[in-house]
Amino acid sequence: DTAVSQTPKYLVTQMGNDKSIKCEQNLGHDTMYWYKQDSKKFLKIMFSYNNKELIINETVPNRFSPKSPDKAHLNLHINSLELGDSAVYFCASSDNMFEQYFGPGTRLTVT
Amino acid sequence: KQEVTQIPAALSVPEGENLVLNCSFTDSAIYNLQWFRQDPGKGLTSLLLIQSSQREQTSGRLNASLDKSSGRSTLYIAASQPGDSATYLCARGDYKLSFGAGTTVTVRA
Repeated sequence: DTAVSQTPKYLVTQMGNDKSIKCEQNLGHDTMYWYKQDSKKFLKIMFSYNNKELIINETVPNRFSPKSPDKAHLNLHINSLELGDSAVYFCASSDNMFEQYFGPGTRLTVT
Repeated sequence: KQEVTQIPAALSVPEGENLVLNCSFTDSAIYNLQWFRQDPGKGLTSLLLIQSSQREQTSGRLNASLDKSSGRSTLYIAASQPGDSATYLCARGDYKLSFGAGTTVTVRA
């Protein structure tokens, strides 16, 4: 029983394409997040949703659009992919401001 | 802006030695502090959460302390094992976690 799951695990695509990453949590948490881990392994938050409402939107290009159809899902859509978007993207969830649980990550490679 | 620093960046110890990992932060605001473990090519596993009102948390061989006045948290791992080899990350915040760069630990058999 995976608590936070992401699909796909690997994503290889060409510049200019549009792609989506899906995230689901079965923990009953109210809050979900997207983080980006760059090539230097540094993790930085991108977005956070609480009960389907956006509460954190860091300085992220508007090519990135999160969508939360319900509180168990938070998907990330990326338009016009660029080389610099190559990274590992992690989804996470928490019960409001408490412990955050992370998914296994999606490694995105843009060629 | 909140900054989280972890020193050293890497640590190598023989099996059985106790590990001490340090995390420092620049602000004195009331935030939680969470420790994670990341294995190569894997996701993050939550180890311990110290809520802002707490001073420490323990789980098995792991103990983490939080000193808001000095802006420091320390993760102790007792009697290290080769399976403890991983990168350990500390993160501070409420909804928005700010991460340190991590300490990569190698435990030699």
